[in-house]
Amino acid sequence: EDQVTQSPEALRLQEGESSSLNCSYTVSGLRGLFWYRQDPGKGPEFLFTLYSAGEEKEKERLKATLTKKESFLHITAPKPEDSATYLCAVPDSGGGADGLTFGKGTHLIIQP
Amino acid sequence: DTEVTQTPKHLVMGMTNKKSLKCEQHMGHRAMYWYKQKAKKPPELMFVYSYEKLSINESVPSRFSPECPNSSLLNLHLHALQPEDSALYLCASSREIISYEQYFGPGTRLTVT
Repeated sequence: EDQVTQSPEALRLQEGESSSLNCSYTVSGLRGLFWYRQDPGKGPEFLFTLYSAGEEKEKERLKATLTKKESFLHITAPKPEDSATYLCAVPDSGGGADGLTFGKGTHLIIQP
Repeated sequence: DTEVTQTPKHLVMGMTNKKSLKCEQHMGHRAMYWYKQKAKKPPELMFVYSYEKLSINESVPSRFSPECPNSSLLNLHLHALQPEDSALYLCASSREIISYEQYFGPGTRLTVT
């Protein structure tokens, strides 16, 4: 069974204090790992796709990296507007309906 | 443009009502999805359409009935729902069914009374 585990569950940072969020996965044959940002009451917003170990993607203050067992979302000098829940997800590897299996998310709060 | 639209934004319905949720995308995507999200939980897959054909998720009760009239539209018909069905219902689309990022709509907040 595919498993996606995110840590920490919640993280409170001061503005400008850099940190990393972790997503570990156990899937048979990774077909991509996706990062999303979700604000309260809204749909997830797509951030990055990573396909192979060693791959890195950047967008503004965010950088996502991938190894064979986990992915990191690095946040550099965050601002209050970066506060959100960050979700990682992998495509279902089993038979039947093909959707995304999400981790439980990291709730990030950036204090001014 | 990576926009997926959903209507209505909010819906309140009684347990005997019949209502429908609507989703639309104009990105030429051939896969569309319905997810259900409860408070403080991640989205959970309900249904997948690929090239307008349904992949059934067997754990979804029959009171939820999906429909894909064409490659741009996706509906979710609701009938005889229970209060525990109250949740945020999310529609998503992707270029193909496998290994492509999914783009989500803003969701419909459903309350069953």
